[in-house]
Amino acid sequence: NAGVTQTPKFRVLKTGQSMTLLCAQDMNHEYMYWYRQDPGMGLRLIHYSVGEGTTAKGEVPDGYNVSRLKKQNFLLGLESAAPSQTSVYFCASSYDANTEGIFGEGSRLTVL
Amino acid sequence: DQQVKQNSPSLSVQEGRISILNCDYTNSMFDYFLWYKKYPAEGPTFLISISSIKDKNEDGRFTVFLNKSAKHLSLHIVPSQPGDSAVYFCAASFSGNTGKLIFGQGTTLQVKP
Repeated sequence: NAGVTQTPKFRVLKTGQSMTLLCAQDMNHEYMYWYRQDPGMGLRLIHYSVGEGTTAKGEVPDGYNVSRLKKQNFLLGLESAAPSQTSVYFCASSYDANTEGIFGEGSRLTVL
Repeated sequence: DQQVKQNSPSLSVQEGRISILNCDYTNSMFDYFLWYKKYPAEGPTFLISISSIKDKNEDGRFTVFLNKSAKHLSLHIVPSQPGDSAVYFCAASFSGNTGKLIFGQGTTLQVKP
């Protein structure tokens, strides 16, 4: 039972490049979330999903897109990376709306 | 505008003593509060939570207190152990989507042997 797995763990991009972060959970959770963590600011919600085929905006959605084509996967995309998107990205999932989230180990992204 | 604030970036305590981590919030509509613990290079892990209908919740060495009138909550760890050294995040949410969290900035706790 792997829990929440994020790939890749590390990535360096040049400004303007695109990439996709994959979050996979094997716990049959309905809800999935993408957060970013920046120094001195805690974690901030980017986008989330309340079930397969659904997505919604969080606190800081600009510059990101997401998709939830399969229940177990939640993808976070950067179409044109900017240095301001240098951050550590965390995915989380929860069984339902009243269960605490389980987080992945994080993906460190650097945009040069 | 930071809706959840942890004003102490760091805290150092001696092993065996009490650790008290504080958190303030501004939105009175929050009705569910959580504490997460994070070790370096790992994701946050859920520690303890409290609903706004309660003023205290206890789980082993960890107790969370909620003062709604002051919009303040605190996490008490008694006794503190070196393995408790980590970053502690306070978070708030609305019941009905407890994974959609507003986090504080975090407090780094160091427990000295």
